[in-house]
Amino acid sequence: EVRLLESGGGLVQPGESLRVSCGASGFTFSGYGMSWVRQAPGKGLEWVSAISGGGGGTYYADSVKGRFTISRDNSNNTLYLQMNSLRADDTAVYYCAKESSMVQTSFDFWGQGTLVTVSS
Amino acid sequence: DIQMTQSPSSLSASVGDRVTITCRASQSISNYLNWYQHKPGKAPKLLIFAASSLQSGVPSRFSGRGSGTDFTLTLSSVQAEDFATYYCQQSYSNPWTFGQGTQVEIK
Repeated sequence: EVRLLESGGGLVQPGESLRVSCGASGFTFSGYGMSWVRQAPGKGLEWVSAISGGGGGTYYADSVKGRFTISRDNSNNTLYLQMNSLRADDTAVYYCAKESSMVQTSFDFWGQGTLVTVSS
Repeated sequence: DIQMTQSPSSLSASVGDRVTITCRASQSISNYLNWYQHKPGKAPKLLIFAASSLQSGVPSRFSGRGSGTDFTLTLSSVQAEDFATYYCQQSYSNPWTFGQGTQVEIK
């Protein structure tokens, strides 16, 4: 059974940094691309960042480019999102999502999310 | 970036009703279109991929159609457990983008 479990969320002040993690099990982690998707309070889903299975390819939304860094540790089946220079509009539930094995990308499994609150 | 526009933003339905949600892309995306269901406090769930392919384990009352710029998600007979917010998402080009969501509420 595929399981994704996010952790590391919390309350931080504007300008501070935070790293959230996603532990994966139930599939060959290194064989799949992974993404982070967030949902701000009262808003819809927003794709944030993606990384290829081997970690060599990374992609970012313009809203976080230059501030966030996605990475993965395939030996420990863990996905990370390092968030620097956090702003109030980064407040959201952050979900990790597994990409499907199909030619066309879809997110076939998601975690329950971890809440990041940026406030003074 | 490709913009995804859903309509309506919300709708009310009774159990047993047929419900259709529309998603329009700002440019042609072939059939690179996915649909998700999201309930509060839960993980989003993939329903439909590649515009019309049913994800494993998803009830057959869910169906998707369309190509190019116009797509639909249909629930043939809404059940109590289907009340949720539904999102379309394009995977044609990065950045992947979602529609704003359609909230399906109980009438």
